[in-house]
Amino acid sequence: SQQGEEDPQALSIQEGENATMNCSYKTSINNLQWYRQNSGRGLVHLILIRSNEREKHSGRLRVTLDTSKKSSSLLITASRAADTASYFCATFYSGGYQKVTFGIGTKLQVIP
Amino acid sequence: DTAVSQTPKYLVTQMGNDKSIKCEQNLGHDTMYWYKQDSKKFLKIMFSYNNKELIINETVPNRFSPKSPDKAHLNLHINSLELGDSAVYFCASSLSGGPSYEQYFGPGTRLTVT
Repeated sequence: SQQGEEDPQALSIQEGENATMNCSYKTSINNLQWYRQNSGRGLVHLILIRSNEREKHSGRLRVTLDTSKKSSSLLITASRAADTASYFCATFYSGGYQKVTFGIGTKLQVIP
Repeated sequence: DTAVSQTPKYLVTQMGNDKSIKCEQNLGHDTMYWYKQDSKKFLKIMFSYNNKELIINETVPNRFSPKSPDKAHLNLHINSLELGDSAVYFCASSLSGGPSYEQYFGPGTRLTVT
């Protein structure tokens, strides 16, 4: 599997439900970031979690990081139709060299 | 005001041509990036410049050459375009050369090589 691989690749839920997306990675990281991409647009940064953090919140977003399992999850609570987008995790490493790796994304559809 | 802008938004050209994509950021950031997103939406970093200095150079054909005249601009020049170069190219910027900062993305340039 690829570094920063999201699971599931596609998710369809009803408005109001929670959406959970997972990301797995393979190498050491300094931080992990989640981005959203609306169709035909650039990526928008959502949240950054550092390697020494385990959980972070921002509005309706909750991100967890388990460095022992090399995995992260993004939870969107009380989803809205406007949350329909693709969500990418990205891992960042800086230790003598810099490495940036984006996953393949989870396509979320929120049905009104 | 657009934070990270790219021109053109769409670029259709024939194989063998040389083309450039321009990127400008007005955020005062030190670091700029170029990414390629293929048809399966896989996003791969190509280059990163910190204050006009190349700090990330992933394995890309040497037909691709980034040029940074100043820290607010990072242009991408592509020589001898091939069909496989068709993709959406995103420029991004961040506050610092380190990985600790969020990146701001441009709207993308859809390149189609025929």
